[in-house]
Amino acid sequence: GQNIDQPTEMTATEGAIVQINCTYQTSGFNGLFWYQQHAGEAPTFLSYNVLDGLEEKGRFSSFLSRSKGYSYLLLKELQMKDSASYLCAVRDETSGTYKYIFGTGTRLKVLA
Amino acid sequence: DAGVIQSPRHEVTEMGQEVTLRCKPISGHDYLFWYRQTMMRGLELLIYFNNNVPIDDSGMPEDRFSAKMPNASFSTLKIQPSEPRDSAVYFCASRETGFPGYTFGSGTRLTVV
Repeated sequence: GQNIDQPTEMTATEGAIVQINCTYQTSGFNGLFWYQQHAGEAPTFLSYNVLDGLEEKGRFSSFLSRSKGYSYLLLKELQMKDSASYLCAVRDETSGTYKYIFGTGTRLKVLA
Repeated sequence: DAGVIQSPRHEVTEMGQEVTLRCKPISGHDYLFWYRQTMMRGLELLIYFNNNVPIDDSGMPEDRFSAKMPNASFSTLKIQPSEPRDSAVYFCASRETGFPGYTFGSGTRLTVV
């Protein structure tokens, strides 16, 4: 089957670094995505990993290990505006069609 | 670009009524997705289209749900008859071939009473 696990909530302090972990199980892995969703708003695309390793984009980095079924999103120099839910999603390819499966998200609270 | 446009933003309806949600994808995007989001289940893929053709509708809960994409710039998701358990935020998203991420619309918050 397909399954994505990530922590429900995390709290961190402004200026700090936080790492949000995601583990997944899927039979036809074809990429991992991170999205940010502020309360009451639509998710917005943050990053995409298909090969092992670290992808850096400004204050945000995303890491993937396909052999371990594991990814993390690293947020540096936290700002109050980073308070949001962070959704891990996996693209699964089965029988020539793609399914995008989202985790339930990690609610991050950034405290002053 | 105006982004993915959904209407209405909010819909309150009575159980048993028909509900139609609308979506206009970003021009040039050849994939369109309908998702439903609830606190309990998170984001669930209902159906997606490629070049206006439905590719995977295995996430559509039951026969009460139907989706169409008559052309590249318009899609509808219909629920008939609606039930209270259909209450959720329904998102439409689109993307273009070669770019992995989606662009989501602002969503339709549906409440069935």
